[in-house]
Amino acid sequence: DAGVTQSPTHLIKTRGQQVTLRCSPKSGHDTVSWYQQALGQGPQFIFQYYEEEERQRGNFPDRFSGHQFPNYSSELNVNALLLGDSALYLCASSSGTGASYEQYFGPGTRLTVT
Amino acid sequence: QKEVEQNSGPLSVPEGAIASLNCTYSDRGSQSFFWYRQYSGKSPELIMFIYSNGDKEDGRFTAQLNKASQYVSLLIRDSQPSDSATYLCALGGGFKTIFGAGTRLFVKA
Repeated sequence: DAGVTQSPTHLIKTRGQQVTLRCSPKSGHDTVSWYQQALGQGPQFIFQYYEEEERQRGNFPDRFSGHQFPNYSSELNVNALLLGDSALYLCASSSGTGASYEQYFGPGTRLTVT
Repeated sequence: QKEVEQNSGPLSVPEGAIASLNCTYSDRGSQSFFWYRQYSGKSPELIMFIYSNGDKEDGRFTAQLNKASQYVSLLIRDSQPSDSATYLCALGGGFKTIFGAGTRLFVKA
């Protein structure tokens, strides 16, 4: 049973650049949520995708955008990178939309902005 | 007031003891409650979830929920050094899951 996968595992970008992170949900799951985790903090909710639509968004600027594909995989795009965007980006999948369902995390993408 | 409060720790317990981790929350509309374990440099791993008041046991883990007092706790019996990690409390409601900052647990051999 394939779990949640994310790519790439690590990424180094320069301020002002754009980045795309990818996520494939766990087999049987149709909902993908993205989180940002800074060092020493809990994951912060960015947004959730279900049926190829953004269902809810956390307190993140429009520089953060996403997409979900018909096969339920998802991308997170961040434009005009800032130093403060350096963090671990986590994708979590669940079966069913909303936050009441158990979510399973991928290994994460470590983004460093220099 | 933060939405989810956890003591950052570290909480240090000897091997074989019971570790008690607590979490309080402010949103009475929260419907579901989760505990995740996160090893250093790794992603969170779901270990328990609870939706109703009372206790839920799974192996060495027991989750306790008291909605009236707005707290949820996690007990780890017979703690092992491999349990040393950060434990994240998370609340679900609507489409959004809110995480606490986590409690670091250290189990001494």
